[in-house]
Amino acid sequence: AQSVTQLGSHVSVSEGALVLLRCNYSSSVPPYLFWYVQYPNQGLQLLLKYTSAATLVKGINGFEAEFKKSETSFHLTKPSAHMSDAAEYFCATKGDAGGTSYGKLTFGQGTILTVHP
Amino acid sequence: NAGVTQTPKFQVLKTGQSMTLQCAQDMNHNSMYWYRQDPGMGLRLIYYSASEGTTDKGEVPNGYNVSRLNKREFSLRLESAAPSQTSVYFCASSTGTGGRGELFFGEGSRLTVL
Repeated sequence: AQSVTQLGSHVSVSEGALVLLRCNYSSSVPPYLFWYVQYPNQGLQLLLKYTSAATLVKGINGFEAEFKKSETSFHLTKPSAHMSDAAEYFCATKGDAGGTSYGKLTFGQGTILTVHP
Repeated sequence: NAGVTQTPKFQVLKTGQSMTLQCAQDMNHNSMYWYRQDPGMGLRLIYYSASEGTTDKGEVPNGYNVSRLNKREFSLRLESAAPSQTSVYFCASSTGTGGRGELFFGEGSRLTVL
């Protein structure tokens, strides 16, 4: 079964600082990987996804993630944090490698990002 | 477009009571899903419906039932609520096979079971 692990349940940065949220995956086949963001009292929305077309994936709001097979990682970064980036971030992978239902995702535990002025 | 709409947004139940969470999407998506979110555990799939007329169990189906009423609507029923079912429930939809693999989520239904 495919799975992801997010390292760090809470990350705190200053406004303007680099954001780095860590995600490692476990997969026996080339994975589909996603980052979702959840703002307070809202549902999740897609930030970006990796589907093997390119190892560096750019998403919305200035976020990007790099797929590193040698490290089994898919860390999320943003060069300069903004107050509006404060939210919970989830890494996810397609739960069943051989299936065709792309929505059957397995989520990581989530990382809450706090941005200080 | 409204996207994915869930009702109710908040509900308090007593142990043993039953209730149904309703979900509707207006994006003509084939697949629909129910997830629950608990602190520190991310989201876990309860049930999904790959297409109209089909439903399948996810990771944590015990204590729940679902109905795919038509292509737009997918409901989640708790027959006899338990405190362990206190959670935030999210409905989601996607195009299903192929495509972009993106899930579209509703705003959630916060359920408390006393």
